Amino acid sequence: AQRVTQPEKLLSVFKGAPVELKCNYSYSGSPELFWYVQYSRQRLQLLLRHISRESIKGFTADLNKGETSFHLKKPFAQEEDSAMYYCALSGHAGGTSYGKLTFGQGTILTVHP
Amino acid sequence: DAGVIQSPRHEVTEMGQEVTLRCKPISGHDYLFWYRQTMMRGLELLIYFNNNVPIDDSGMPEDRFSAKMPNASFSTLKIQPSEPRDSAVYFCASRGNTIYFGEGSWLTVV
Repeated sequence: AQRVTQPEKLLSVFKGAPVELKCNYSYSGSPELFWYVQYSRQRLQLLLRHISRESIKGFTADLNKGETSFHLKKPFAQEEDSAMYYCALSGHAGGTSYGKLTFGQGTILTVHP
Repeated sequence: DAGVIQSPRHEVTEMGQEVTLRCKPISGHDYLFWYRQTMMRGLELLIYFNNNVPIDDSGMPEDRFSAKMPNASFSTLKIQPSEPRDSAVYFCASRGNTIYFGEGSWLTVV
C-alpha cells in the first residue's frame, strides 16, 4: 500500500524565515514524489517533482530514501507563499500503481509580514 | 492547450436531486482521475481511468456515485440522489508525464 503523511496541518512563519514542510511516505518500490500547491480557492498546481531536481519559486525538495522523506524547503519565505501544500506519491512507470497519485493531508502554510 | 476543463464550476442543488459533473482532460493524456476535497478529509481519490477504462473505483463512497468515460475526451461523475454530506469540491485531473488538475466543481447540496 502507498501512503503519504504530512504531520503538520498548519505551519506559520514570518516573512524572511526559513520554512520546511515535512512529508514522509510508505511505498514498496521506487516511487515518484511530487509537491503540489493550492492557493485560495484555486486548482492544485504542480510545484515540484523529485525526478526533475529543479527549484521552483525558491522551493526545493530532496528525496531521502533512507528516511522515506521528501521535505519541501525554502530558505526565505514570502507572504505570497501562503497556501495549502500537498505532498503526493505515484508508483514508477511500468509498475502496477503507476498513474495513481496518493496525497497527504496537506499543510496550510501562513507567512506573516 | 486549455488544460483540464470542468463544468459546472459551481452548483447548488437540493437534497435528492441528481448531480452530473463533467470533465474534459488534456488531449493525449491517457489517465483521468476524479478527486473530492473537503476540509475534514482532505483530498480523496474517488476513481481513475486508464485509456477510458476504470482501473480503481475503491474510493467511490457508495452506490449513489457513478463515473463514466465514454471516450478519451470526456468523463462524467454522477451523484444520484445527492445528500448534504456530498458537498465538496470535486476535482478532475489528467496525466501525461505528470498530473494536471482542473479548477474544480464546487458542489453544495442543501
